Amino acid sequence: QLQLQESGPGLVRPSETLSLTCSVSGGSISSSSYYWGWIRQPPGEGLEWIGSVYYTGRTSDNPSLKSRVTMSVDTSKNQFSLRLSSVTAADAAVYYCARLQWLLSPVYFDYWGQGTLVTVSS
Amino acid sequence: DIQMTQSPSSLSASVGGRVTLTCRASQTISTYLNWYQQKPGKAPKLLIYGASTLQSGVPSRFSGSGSGTDFTLTISSLQPEDFAIYYCQQTYSIPWTFGQGTKVEIK
Repeated sequence: QLQLQESGPGLVRPSETLSLTCSVSGGSISSSSYYWGWIRQPPGEGLEWIGSVYYTGRTSDNPSLKSRVTMSVDTSKNQFSLRLSSVTAADAAVYYCARLQWLLSPVYFDYWGQGTLVTVSS
Repeated sequence: DIQMTQSPSSLSASVGGRVTLTCRASQTISTYLNWYQQKPGKAPKLLIYGASTLQSGVPSRFSGSGSGTDFTLTISSLQPEDFAIYYCQQTYSIPWTFGQGTKVEIK
């Protein structure tokens, strides 16, 4: 059974960079069938797609985040990562990592991590 | 960006009842529409993809329909474990966007 687990600091200071890692177990991150994505959810609010990364390092991200997003993959560790720079209070949210099925249309997120809460405060 | 609008924002229903949730896209998205269920403190769970295909393991009381701009999720006989928030998502064009959710509560 595929499992995803987010990890990283739960508190980030304003203007600094949020860094999260998603560890994948029960499957290979190097599969050609999947992208790996990040989605966030501010407390009490809806879901926002942040971006997705392929095992080759190819990425796609949400333009609303104005190029603050960097995503990467470490196939040797079966992990992928998110960096979000210049954070503000608006970036406080539960951050989820998820597997994106993309080989067959349509694409969808079929496995999700449990989520990790990130607070932005000085 | 494609805007996804769900209605109603919340509803109350009885166990055993039939409920229909609606999702409308701001432009045509063919059948590039997914539905997720989210319970408090948990990650979303995929229910339906491609507007009408049931994800493996999801009970058959869930069904989806629609194409173009208008979509529905129907729960034929509401069970206690179905009380949750339901989100639609379009994956027709980037940025993929979600609706604001419909909360299904116990009547």
